[in-house]
Amino acid sequence: DQQVKQNSPSLSVQEGRISILNCDYTNSMFDYFLWYKKYPAEGPTFLISISSIKDKNEDGRFTVFLNKSAKHLSLHIVPSQPGDSAVYFCAARERSGGGADGLTFGKGTHLIIQP
Amino acid sequence: DTAVSQTPKYLVTQMGNDKSIKCEQNLGHDTMYWYKQDSKKFLKIMFSYNNKELIINETVPNRFSPKSPDKAHLNLHINSLELGDSAVYFCASSHPGNTIYFGEGSWLTVV
Repeated sequence: DQQVKQNSPSLSVQEGRISILNCDYTNSMFDYFLWYKKYPAEGPTFLISISSIKDKNEDGRFTVFLNKSAKHLSLHIVPSQPGDSAVYFCAARERSGGGADGLTFGKGTHLIIQP
Repeated sequence: DTAVSQTPKYLVTQMGNDKSIKCEQNLGHDTMYWYKQDSKKFLKIMFSYNNKELIINETVPNRFSPKSPDKAHLNLHINSLELGDSAVYFCASSHPGNTIYFGEGSWLTVV
């Protein structure tokens, strides 16, 4: 049962254009969402996050949008650069009210930036 | 300096063997985790430790046992390795409720 879904296994975008990566979730208890970037043979690297009390968070070229009613979030990268080519994981955390809280990950979207 | 480091990065071993993967974090975090990325590329949490207390155990076989000698270390021991244990194992750490930082991964191949 996938609680976090990234339905596009791959996405190809031209350099300089906007990349939009999508993520859907089913668990209404999720209250914090993150995007991680992963290069081959490396661990996931934190990129940007958003709390459920917000609908937008921006950090340089990266913006994450959250639509709670649709249980959907998206990551916008503009302008896209060759170094952005990587696998992007959407992740969500459920606020359980105490103790350690792990992340539930989507399957990832492989972003390819074409020159 | 690497914030979350794990060794070995690559490990090839035979079925039935017992192996360990070590993890250390120098971020001063209270919580450490082990995640597994299987052949279908899903990243799934296996364990988390907070102040030496196991908080989460996501239906992982008891052949897998995390051991934390101190707050900065969380090692993963695997007994009687099976072919299906072949995967990439990621160590991670965080302060409770904050961003989780990952190590570079350990590629385990069981033959």
